[in-house]
Amino acid sequence: DGGITQSPKYLFRKEGQNVTLSCEQNLNHDAMYWYRQDPGQGLRLIYYSQIVNDFQKGDIAEGYSVSREKKESFPLTVTSAQKNPTAFYLCASRLDGGQPQHFGDGTRLSIL
Amino acid sequence: AQSVTQLDSQVPVFEEAPVELRCNYSSSVSVYLFWYVQYPNQGLQLLLKYLSGSTLVESINGFEAEFNKSQTSFHLRKPSVHISDTAEYFCAVTFTGYSSASKIIFGSGTRLSIRP
Repeated sequence: DGGITQSPKYLFRKEGQNVTLSCEQNLNHDAMYWYRQDPGQGLRLIYYSQIVNDFQKGDIAEGYSVSREKKESFPLTVTSAQKNPTAFYLCASRLDGGQPQHFGDGTRLSIL
Repeated sequence: AQSVTQLDSQVPVFEEAPVELRCNYSSSVSVYLFWYVQYPNQGLQLLLKYLSGSTLVESINGFEAEFNKSQTSFHLRKPSVHISDTAEYFCAVTFTGYSSASKIIFGSGTRLSIRP
């Protein structure tokens, strides 16, 4: 079955450490997205990508970085510059502008 | 500016009672509308969508939503809820004529809790 796979499901970060969250899709979707979810705040867009080797900042990109070297993959790095990284991170993809997004099951990041 | 407002952050209802989760949007262009459901520690799942055609759309588990252009609303309803409907529900909007990289704007979510 096609879908989006996020890994790991739980991740712990030490002070000053960069961590990378994986997102892989086999839906052949062009666009991919990263969201951050905090309790009571809904989803906030971090980065999105329409095509390989191209991506744009979302509303809260500071302290995060991404790459899009393959159509199927859109990893998110949470850098040490992100001072409050504890959240639930969701990856999504979409075929075109008129279609809904498909979501992965999320990665929960916590600070040690 | 485009925006989505879910008027209720929490909605408690008794099992088998009807429920309505409200969603209003603001946009100067035509829209596509979605409702998603999120169960604890999971991603969002599409519940239903309005792209064009009939303004009343239905899901396979008894939910329905009606697109009201004059009131810029897309409220979600179910005539009789079950314990298994306990979840958080998100309304979302995207805008016609945009590319696949265009943003989808999400509401802040409504937590539906069902009491036995």
